[in-house]
Amino acid sequence: AQSVTQPDIHITVSEGASLELRCNYSYGATPYLFWYVQSPGQGLQLLLKYFSGDTLVQGIKGFEAEFKRSQSSFNLRKPSVHWSDAAEYFCAVATGTASKLTFGTGTRLQVTL
Amino acid sequence: DGGITQSPKYLFRKEGQNVTLSCEQNLNHDAMYWYRQDPGQGLRLIYYSQIVNDFQKGDIAEGYSVSREKKESFPLTVTSAQKNPTAFYLCASSRPPLGGGYNEQFFGPGTRLTVL
Repeated sequence: AQSVTQPDIHITVSEGASLELRCNYSYGATPYLFWYVQSPGQGLQLLLKYFSGDTLVQGIKGFEAEFKRSQSSFNLRKPSVHWSDAAEYFCAVATGTASKLTFGTGTRLQVTL
Repeated sequence: DGGITQSPKYLFRKEGQNVTLSCEQNLNHDAMYWYRQDPGQGLRLIYYSQIVNDFQKGDIAEGYSVSREKKESFPLTVTSAQKNPTAFYLCASSRPPLGGGYNEQFFGPGTRLTVL
C-alpha cells in the first residue's frame, strides 16, 4: 500500500533562512505528488504538484520541490523564509483510479524573527 | 467566487447524538471527499464520491455516513457509532482528469466538531 513519510514533525527556522521540508513516499508506480499548506484552523491550499516531466517544480509563494525517483523523495524548498510561511505543510501522493490522496502526518514550521 | 463552503465552522454535540456536516461546492467538480484531521495524524479519508448518487468508503468510514444527491453537495453524518468523533473535518473536491492522470483537490475551510 502507498504511504507518505514526513520525518520532521516540527521545524524552526529564522526569517530569511533557507528551508527544506522532507517527504518520502512508497508507491509502486509513478506517483502524482503534492505539497499543501495549512494555516491554523483553515483548509489546505495547494503549493505545487508533480505529475511528470521536469523533476524540479515551481509553486506559489516562492516554493519549489524536486522529485527524486531513486530516493523516493519529493522535498519542498524555499530559499528565504518569510514570517508568513509559518504553517503546517503536508506532502501527499495520489494513487489509484479514484484519485485518492494519501497524506503524510505533516511538518509544522515555526519562523523566528 | 468559486469555492467550497463548509458549515458550521464550529459544532458542539452531546455524546450519542448524530450530527451532519455540510459541504457545498460551486466549482462544478464531479468528485468530492471527506477527510478527518487529528493532531499528528495528517488527513485520513472517510468517504469519497466520484459522481452523483455514488460514493465509496475511505480508510476510516466506520461510524460515518454520506449522501450525494446533488453534484454540489456532499453532507457527512457523524453517527453515534463513531467512537471518537471529536476532530477537524475537511471537505474537498476535484474534477476528473482528461485522458487519465490526476487533478488536484481543492479544500474547504473545515468544521471543528467537539463532542461533549
